[in-house]
Amino acid sequence: GAVVSQHPSRVICKSGTSVKIECRSLDFQATTMFWYRQFPKQSLMLMATSNEGSKATYEQGVEKDKFLINHASLTLSTLTVTSAHPEDSSFYICSARGQGYTDTQYFGPGTRLTVL
Amino acid sequence: AQSVAQPEDQVNVAEGNPLTVKCTYSVSGNPYLFWYVQYPNRGLQFLLKYITGDNLVKGSYGFEAEFNKSQTSFHLKKPSALVSDSALYFCAVRPAGSNFNKFYFGSGTKLNVKP
Repeated sequence: GAVVSQHPSRVICKSGTSVKIECRSLDFQATTMFWYRQFPKQSLMLMATSNEGSKATYEQGVEKDKFLINHASLTLSTLTVTSAHPEDSSFYICSARGQGYTDTQYFGPGTRLTVL
Repeated sequence: AQSVAQPEDQVNVAEGNPLTVKCTYSVSGNPYLFWYVQYPNRGLQFLLKYITGDNLVKGSYGFEAEFNKSQTSFHLKKPSALVSDSALYFCAVRPAGSNFNKFYFGSGTKLNVKP
């Protein structure tokens, strides 16, 4: 149980385009999902917290107009990187916390974004 | 300020020997404590957690961790390391109270188990 998927696993795009990353909880309903960014050989940086049906809460320094988060259902959250630039290249990881898993976050496999 | 420290960037151990990966924390209240493992280009896998009760918690793949409130530590241990345990390990803390949604992660410790 507690499986979280991400799609795509890897994406390459041109500078100026937008990229959407999906995060799904496959076997539980996720009331809260989290989006992290991880730089090489570094820890995870929390970008935002999203609750189903409400606006995401962004961490300080994260541009909400650049990183659009939508949590439309209890099993799906999306992160859209708008007008991507090379500095947005990174490993993006989502996690989910469900009603039955109130204290543990379960992580997706991550998405490697490369902006050319 | 809330913080989690993993003082060792890297831990090297021979296969079959015991291993310890250290974690200390500074958070308000009674925290929930977690260990996750990350393999290259993959997300984090949950290993174990401490919420309350027995200070020694057992988790996946033979790992265990000991909560020490006085030392504010939550070190990860395994009696006998395997080469397949080689990975990046993260300690995480979820403070009690208003930030209950938010996890604070350590910087990670790379574990190298040599045959």
